[in-house]
Amino acid sequence: KQEVTQIPAALSVPEGENLVLNCSFTDSAIYNLQWFRQDPGKGLTSLLLIQSSQREQTSGRLNASLDKSSGRSTLYIAASQPGDSATYLCAVPLMDSSYKLIFGSGTRLLVRP
Amino acid sequence: NAGVTQTPKFRVLKTGQSMTLLCAQDMNHEYMYWYRQDPGMGLRLIHYSVGEGTTAKGEVPDGYNVSRLKKQNFLLGLESAAPSQTSVYFCASSPRERGTGELFFGEGSRLTVL
Repeated sequence: KQEVTQIPAALSVPEGENLVLNCSFTDSAIYNLQWFRQDPGKGLTSLLLIQSSQREQTSGRLNASLDKSSGRSTLYIAASQPGDSATYLCAVPLMDSSYKLIFGSGTRLLVRP
Repeated sequence: NAGVTQTPKFRVLKTGQSMTLLCAQDMNHEYMYWYRQDPGMGLRLIHYSVGEGTTAKGEVPDGYNVSRLKKQNFLLGLESAAPSQTSVYFCASSPRERGTGELFFGEGSRLTVL
């Protein structure tokens, strides 16, 4: 059974710091892994999607890496800003016809000015 | 460029009342999903659809029904609302290409059952 874990559950850093969010999954047979951002009271916004054949994806100050063999992904945020404050979730789809996503519980990030 | 639109955004119901949440997507996606999000429980899948006219149960389907009569719409119904169904409901859609498709979410519908 696929399980997705995110550590830490919460993180508070000063503005400008580089930071890493962690995501681990128990079944390494995945199609892809997706990182989302959720602002309070809002829906989820897709940040990055890494295919199983890829090692990393970059979008602006965000870089996501994937190590299938160890069941881990990291989201690196460079030069953090107060606007980056949000909850970050990772998710992987089940390897069946449903393409259902299994979500981690998220990391709540606060970037202090 | 609307993406995934949910209506209503907020609703308060009394126990036993019924209601329907509407999800509409304009991206011609095959797959559509209804999730609920509760504090400490994360996102849990209620029902999903892999194409027009199809529906299937997710993790927590009890007390909900769904219909996908048109490809662009996915309806979630509560037949007899209970306080345990107080939650934020999210609809999502994804293109058919399994393994490459991103999931796109609506803004959510906040439901309170008194």
